[in-house]
Amino acid sequence: KNEVEQSPQNLTAQEGEFITINCSYSVGISALHWLQQHPGGGIVSLFMLSSGKKKHGRLIATINIQEKHSSLHITASHPRDSAVYICAVVMYTGNQFYFGTGTSLTVIP
Amino acid sequence: DTGVSQDPRHKITKRGQNVTFRCDPISEHNRLYWYRQTLGQGPEFLTYFQNEAQLEKSRLLSDRFSAERPKGSFSTLEIQRTEQGDSAMYLCASFGQGKTEAFFGQGTRLTVV
Repeated sequence: KNEVEQSPQNLTAQEGEFITINCSYSVGISALHWLQQHPGGGIVSLFMLSSGKKKHGRLIATINIQEKHSSLHITASHPRDSAVYICAVVMYTGNQFYFGTGTSLTVIP
Repeated sequence: DTGVSQDPRHKITKRGQNVTFRCDPISEHNRLYWYRQTLGQGPEFLTYFQNEAQLEKSRLLSDRFSAERPKGSFSTLEIQRTEQGDSAMYLCASFGQGKTEAFFGQGTRLTVV
């Protein structure tokens, strides 16, 4: 059983569409990260959340600690948003990340 | 650039050879992690250092794998007698003391032929 579950696994959208990626986790956490990975590339941290909501440009991330759930939203999606988006949680002990398997997003022009 | 850097970015090696990867974390970060990522999967934890001490190792880290962080700064990950199943992206991440924000390197992609 994976401590972090993401959905959907794959997502194809038309340019301009509003996109939502979901993450559920089963462990007590101190923080949750949304990460972006381009093909063949390294990982970039988009957001770190411990409560509430954060916004950066067209990206919005929310977290509900009680429900152990987070969402990543992309407004007005663009082909350059095509990447794998990974949810990762930091346990209370702070020693490890647990990663989801990622959501592969393709935005078609 | 003061981010996490990994070297090399790509490595192709013959089965049975030894390989070593290096990670240079952000200078003031005392926690350093190694992860392995295979195609279509999320990263899997391999090992974790706090300063020079290796505090945790995954069961994924067989006897052929060894990691060091001798001076609490850069770290090396060595794989001995490589096997085709070792082909993966090896990622390094660092955290500052008491902080939960992590910074990732670009990874080293290993291909064992």
